[in-house]
Amino acid sequence: DAGVTQSPTHLIKTRGQHVTLRCSPISGHKSVSWYQQVLGQGPQFIFQYYEKEERGRGNFPDRFSARQFPNYSSELNVNALLLGDSALYLCASSPRGVWGYTFGSGTRLTVV
Amino acid sequence: AQSVSQHNHHVILSEAASLELGCNYSYGGTVNLFWYVQYPGQHLQLLLKYFSGDPLVKGIKGFEAEFIKSKFSFNLRKPSVQWSDTAEYFCAVNAGLNTDKLIFGTGTRLQVFP
Repeated sequence: DAGVTQSPTHLIKTRGQHVTLRCSPISGHKSVSWYQQVLGQGPQFIFQYYEKEERGRGNFPDRFSARQFPNYSSELNVNALLLGDSALYLCASSPRGVWGYTFGSGTRLTVV
Repeated sequence: AQSVSQHNHHVILSEAASLELGCNYSYGGTVNLFWYVQYPGQHLQLLLKYFSGDPLVKGIKGFEAEFIKSKFSFNLRKPSVQWSDTAEYFCAVNAGLNTDKLIFGTGTRLQVFP
């Protein structure tokens, strides 16, 4: 069975640029959540989507946005990148909510 | 604000030693509690979780955790660690009935030497 797939695995962007990260959930999972993990810290909640609707939003600026598509895959968009946005971005999918979270391997974003 | 504290940032043990990693949370209501493990180069994996019932929870790979409500704690234990347990361990809390958000601690890096 395919797990949670995230793409790309690594990327390097310049300050001020825009980035789109993608997540394909496990088949049958309708909930997708995004987390940011800065080096040396635990993951921090960014967004949760369930059935294509935003169900939760963490304490992140409006530069961060996301959406979920009819096939339940999801995109995380970050505009006007800052150096501080450098982190591992994790996607987690579940049938619903936190009960059966499965995390992807993440996208390592470096902003220079 | 809700928070999770992991007081042990870096733990070094020899194989066969016993392990206990501390986790405390700040929230007075209903909580669901989790321990995740991140092996080097791998994704976060669920070790165990507590939703209700028996406060002593058994997880995979011989790990267990005890929920002590009066102490707001959910400490992770293993009687005898192995070299393969070397990893980063994260405690996480889902606080409240109307949220699917996980709040993670800062993690504990465990190194086990043969």
